[in-house]
Amino acid sequence: GESVGLHLPTLSVQEGDNSIINCAYSNSASDYFIWYKQESGKGPQFIIDIRSNMDKRQGQRVTVLLNKTVKHLSLQIAATQPGDSAVYFCAANYNFNKFYFGSGTKLNVKP
Amino acid sequence: DVKVTQSSRYLVKRTGEKVFLECVQDMDHENMFWYRQDPGLGLRLIYFSYDVKMKEKGDIPEGYSVSREKKERFSLILESASTNQTSMYLCASNLRVRDGNTEAFFGQGTRLTVV
Repeated sequence: GESVGLHLPTLSVQEGDNSIINCAYSNSASDYFIWYKQESGKGPQFIIDIRSNMDKRQGQRVTVLLNKTVKHLSLQIAATQPGDSAVYFCAANYNFNKFYFGSGTKLNVKP
Repeated sequence: DVKVTQSSRYLVKRTGEKVFLECVQDMDHENMFWYRQDPGLGLRLIYFSYDVKMKEKGDIPEGYSVSREKKERFSLILESASTNQTSMYLCASNLRVRDGNTEAFFGQGTRLTVV
């Protein structure tokens, strides 16, 4: 099976700073990874994804980095805003569209 | 906008009751999922369906069953609710593609309390 973990349960950053959220996965066969954001009382929302044939992908203010050698991915949020406060999950996919999720990192943005 | 809708936001049920959680998606997705979310444990897959009437067990299927009679609807059934099934339940769907994977879209969740 797959286990996905996150390095820190809570991350506090100052508004305007960059945030980095880390994630480790265990199954080297995983070939598709997603970052989700979950605000209080809501379901997870897709932020950005990356496939195993890439090591970096950028979106609007977000970048995902994938290091397959050490089975690690990270989410970087540039110029963090109060609206970025949420729980962030990484998900690793393998074996016919099943997703395995980490336990989440809570991002607190201080004004 | 894509949409996954869960029929209830909050439910309170008694131990031993049979509980139905309903999920509908309007994106014509083949795959549908039921997860439960518990503090410190993240999202754990209960059941997965890749087509009408097709299902696969996830990591924690015990005490649950599912039904997929129509493509857009995926139901989670707690045969006899127990207090350890108190949790947030999340439904998701995604498109099945031949060579690769696609992101899953989630509903807003159903917070179930079993008393």
